[in-house]
Amino acid sequence: AQSVAQPEDQVNVAEGNPLTVKCTYSVSGNPYLFWYVQYPNRGLQFLLKYITGDNLVKGSYGFEAEFNKSQTSFHLKKPSALVSDSALYFCAVRDMTDYKLSFGAGTTVTVRA
Amino acid sequence: GAVVSQHPSRVICKSGTSVKIECRSLDFQATTMFWYRQFPKQSLMLMATSNEGSKATYEQGVEKDKFLINHASLTLSTLTVTSAHPEDSSFYICSARLRETMNTEAFFGQGTRLTVV
Repeated sequence: AQSVAQPEDQVNVAEGNPLTVKCTYSVSGNPYLFWYVQYPNRGLQFLLKYITGDNLVKGSYGFEAEFNKSQTSFHLKKPSALVSDSALYFCAVRDMTDYKLSFGAGTTVTVRA
Repeated sequence: GAVVSQHPSRVICKSGTSVKIECRSLDFQATTMFWYRQFPKQSLMLMATSNEGSKATYEQGVEKDKFLINHASLTLSTLTVTSAHPEDSSFYICSARLRETMNTEAFFGQGTRLTVV
């Protein structure tokens, strides 16, 4: 079985400050990890993924994430947050043998001006 | 990235009627599509996996007779909510994969807000 935990329901930061959204995962084999963002009443937009290779993954809109195998974490980061980054963020995991994605509960990010 | 189009974006229907939601891959072929349901401020729950040319695979607890899925072509999957009731009101989202390889991300439709009155 595979699962994802996003320990924070909400993250609040000031514009220009660093943003971190936490994610830990559990899979039986090697993980495929993803971050998606959702704006109100919209579908999910893909931000970035980790499949293999460098532990630091760079994605869309200035976001990056670091894969840490020993801590089974895949935290999303952005060095300088924008008000437009305010949205709902989902971490997702899949193992190598299954097409199905397991999503975390989501973290609402609010960036104040 | 690839585009997945979902229609309609919003629908209001009367209790007891059926509603069809379409999910199209616009610039690629998708042999597999996924249907999710999302409650307010909650995560996505996988309802079923839609396979082109064969029967859908439903997750445990999802009524296959209530949520009919048809994947008649490589670019279209439909979800029909039959005899809808207010408790079926939710946000439904589809997704598709660009290629049938394990390391590709899924692309999502815009979602459909269903309200049953």
